[in-house]
Amino acid sequence: EVQLVESGGGLVQPGGSLRLSCAASGFTFSSYWMSWVRQAPGKGLEWVANIKEDGSEKYYVDSVKGRLTISRDNAKNSLSLQMNSLRAEDAAVYYCVGIRFGETINHWYFDLWGRGTLVTVSS
Amino acid sequence: DIQMTQSPSSLSASVGDRVTITCRASQSTSGNLNWYQQKPGKAPNVLIYSASTLHGGVPSRFSGSGSGTDFTLTISDLQPEDFATYYCQQSYTFPITFGQGTRLEIK
Repeated sequence: EVQLVESGGGLVQPGGSLRLSCAASGFTFSSYWMSWVRQAPGKGLEWVANIKEDGSEKYYVDSVKGRLTISRDNAKNSLSLQMNSLRAEDAAVYYCVGIRFGETINHWYFDLWGRGTLVTVSS
Repeated sequence: DIQMTQSPSSLSASVGDRVTITCRASQSTSGNLNWYQQKPGKAPNVLIYSASTLHGGVPSRFSGSGSGTDFTLTISDLQPEDFATYYCQQSYTFPITFGQGTRLEIK
């Protein structure tokens, strides 16, 4: 059974740091691009970051560049998101997501989703 | 950035109805357009990818169409389990962007 299990969420003060983790199982983790997608309470979905299978390419939404860092450990089937200088607008449920490609490498979508972990930023 | 605009933002319908949700991109996505369903308290699930390809296990009452900048998601013969929020998303270029969502409610 494919599973993505996030952990590490919690309450943090503005300006603080948090590290999210995602444990993957049931599929060949090292063959998947991975993402973090977030959703603020009562709001829509927002893409945060992507990382290539081998970690050699990373992409971020502008609002998190320089503050959030995506990384992976294929030996441990693990995805991480290091979150520094947190702001109130970073408060959200963070989903760990596996990407699947369609008929061509240019077509892809978010296929495998964890249940999410909640990050609250408040003093 | 490619802006994704869905309409309507909310919709009321009855079981058995046919509904259409529209997604418009601010520039062409070359068919890199996906649709997701999300129920309260749950993670989203992909329904349609590449504008019109039904994801495995998704009922055939869901269909997608469109190209360039204009796309539609159609649900025929609405079932009780279809009442949820739907999002479109472009995977053509970074930053990846989602529509604001369409909430489908029971009339």
